[in-house]
Amino acid sequence: AQSVTQLDSQVPVFEEAPVELRCNYSSSVSVYLFWYVQYPNQGLQLLLKYLSGSTLVKGINGFEAEFNKSQTSFHLRKPSVHISDTAEYFCAVGGSNYKLTFGKGTLLTVNP
Amino acid sequence: NAGVTQTPKFQVLKTGQSMTLQCAQDMNHEYMSWYRQDPGMGLRLIHYSVGAGITDQGEVPNGYNVSRSTTEDFPLRLLSAAPSQTSVYFCASSPKGGAGNQPQHFGDGTRLSIL
Repeated sequence: AQSVTQLDSQVPVFEEAPVELRCNYSSSVSVYLFWYVQYPNQGLQLLLKYLSGSTLVKGINGFEAEFNKSQTSFHLRKPSVHISDTAEYFCAVGGSNYKLTFGKGTLLTVNP
Repeated sequence: NAGVTQTPKFQVLKTGQSMTLQCAQDMNHEYMSWYRQDPGMGLRLIHYSVGAGITDQGEVPNGYNVSRSTTEDFPLRLLSAAPSQTSVYFCASSPKGGAGNQPQHFGDGTRLSIL
């Protein structure tokens, strides 16, 4: 079985500040990790993915995430956020069983 | 580029009614899935399909049926709507390999209210 825990349900930050959204996972098999973003009244869009290889993964819009196998974490970071980054962010874990398991989401609010 | 198309975008039903949520993709993806999104719950997998004629249950399948007669279409049927099925429903697709190691492409969702 696989599961995802997003440690913060809401993260408020000021514009141009750095941000980290935390994600921990559990899985009994090889893992594939994803971050998706959901803007209001829209579907989910892929931000970045870790399938194998380098543990530091770069995605769209200046986001990056680091896979840490020993801590079973896949935290999302951005050095300087913009108002337009306000959205809900979902961490997800996939395995070889065709299923993708999502966390409950973190609402990032960027204030001026 | 249509991608994943869901219809309708909004729907209000009465308890006990049935309906079908439509999902179509034009990317020739083998894997398709349905999720429901509820506040504070993230997305939960209802049913999925790894190809035409093959479907399987996800985490929350009760009260829903699916079929996959073509690669393009994956409708979700509510048999007898209940207020607990009030939710936002998302359809997603991905290439061969399934959701496990492939990014998924999501539709814009169907917002369903059951009175």
